Amino acid sequence: AQSVTQLGSHVSVSEGALVLLRCNYSSSVPPYLFWYVQYPNQGLQLLLKYTTGATLVKGINGFEAEFKKSETSFHLTKPSAHMSDAAEYFCAVSDWGLTGGGNKLTFGTGTQLKVEL
Amino acid sequence: EPEVTQTPSHQVTQMGQEVILRCVPISNHLYFYWYRQILGQKVEFLVSFYNNEISEKSEIFDDQFSVERPDGSNFTLKIRSTKLEDSAMYFCASRGQGVADTQYFGPGTRLTVL
Repeated sequence: AQSVTQLGSHVSVSEGALVLLRCNYSSSVPPYLFWYVQYPNQGLQLLLKYTTGATLVKGINGFEAEFKKSETSFHLTKPSAHMSDAAEYFCAVSDWGLTGGGNKLTFGTGTQLKVEL
Repeated sequence: EPEVTQTPSHQVTQMGQEVILRCVPISNHLYFYWYRQILGQKVEFLVSFYNNEISEKSEIFDDQFSVERPDGSNFTLKIRSTKLEDSAMYFCASRGQGVADTQYFGPGTRLTVL
């Protein structure tokens, strides 16, 4: 079975500060990993994804994440937080490589990012 | 830019009633999904659908749930007899044919069972 752990259900940063949201995964096959963002009363929007190739992945709105197989991690970072980044962030892993897997996503519990002036 | 749409945005129903949640996936997508998110909890997989049949379902997706693609554009989730614990946000998602293709999510339907 696959699983995702997001450390820190709430993270608060100052505007302009580094954003670091942590994600660790468990998968029996090479993982496809995703970060989604959910703004209040909206659906899930893809920030970035890792499938194969370069382990440092760049996404929208200045976010990036690095796949580290040895640490089973896929942490999300942004050098300088903006007020508009306040939202909930979900890390997810796909079961694409599992026999019978239909590419369903297994999500972490989410991290609520607060950006303060 | 193509997007997944869902209707209604909010559905209130009485316990025991049937509800149908509707989704219009992105037009050239072939794989369709329903997920749900109970308030304050994580997003959970319910069911995946491909080639007019269910390809996978979770333990949550019991006999009270069904899915259908009635007309080649809509994708529906039916709950036959709603329970209080079915109250949640229900998300539809779709993706293209490639194994690495992104799942695109709709804005969700908030279901409230009274």
